Amino acid sequence: NAGVTQTPKFQVLKTGQSMTLQCAQDMNHEYMSWYRQDPGMGLRLIHYSVGAGITDQGEVPNGYNVSRSTTEDFPLRLLSAAPSQTSVYFCASSYSSWAGETQYFGPGTRLLVL
Amino acid sequence: GQQLNQSPQSMFIQEGEDVSMNCTSSSIFNTWLWYKQDPGEGPVLLIALYKAGELTSNGRLTAQFGITRKDSFLNISASIPSDVGIYFCAGSGVWNFGNEKLTFGTGTRLTIIP
Repeated sequence: NAGVTQTPKFQVLKTGQSMTLQCAQDMNHEYMSWYRQDPGMGLRLIHYSVGAGITDQGEVPNGYNVSRSTTEDFPLRLLSAAPSQTSVYFCASSYSSWAGETQYFGPGTRLLVL
Repeated sequence: GQQLNQSPQSMFIQEGEDVSMNCTSSSIFNTWLWYKQDPGEGPVLLIALYKAGELTSNGRLTAQFGITRKDSFLNISASIPSDVGIYFCAGSGVWNFGNEKLTFGTGTRLTIIP
C-alpha cells in the first residue's frame, strides 16, 4: 500500500493564480481531511469528508474548495491564491471520523504564494 | 474555538536524557492524541488516550490523560537520535453532528545535542 500520497511536493504561485493540490489514499478510508501547518501554530483543519459525495468545512475554509467524487481522491483547490495561503498542506485519511481513529498523513505540499 | 497550549515550545537535550512535555486545554476533551512529525514528513500517531486518568506506554514513550480531562503529558525515556522531531498533542471534542474535530497543539521541537 502506498498509504496517503500528495502531489506536488512543492509549488510556487503568483497571487491570483489557482491550483489544485492532489491527495489520494489506497486504504479504502471513508474519512479524509485537509490541514494547513503554519510556523508556531498547530495543524488547522480546512475541509473534511466523511465519504464520497460528502464534504464539510473545517476551521479555516475560506479560499479553498474541495470535492470527493471517489473514496480514494480528495483534491483541494485554491481559487485565487493569496500570500496568506503560503503554508504546508497535509492531507490525512482514517477509517472513520472518530477522533480516536488513527489518522494517516501524507508527506505534505509546501506552497509559496508570491 | 478550543485552544491547546503545548509546552515547552522547544527542547535541547543530550542523548540518554528523559523528556517531558505537556498540553493544556481551555475545555474538556474526550480523546487525547500524541503525534510525532519528522522533518519533511507528515505527523505519525504515537499514542491515543481515551479516558481520564489513563496511562499508556508505547516503548520508551508514556502518555497520560489528565484527570480533569483538560490536560495530557508525554514522557520519553532515555532519548535517542531518532527521537528528534516535532511532537504534537491533539484533543477532540464532539463537533458538528457528531463528527469529532481534532484540535492540535503548537508543537514541541525536540533537538538532541551531540
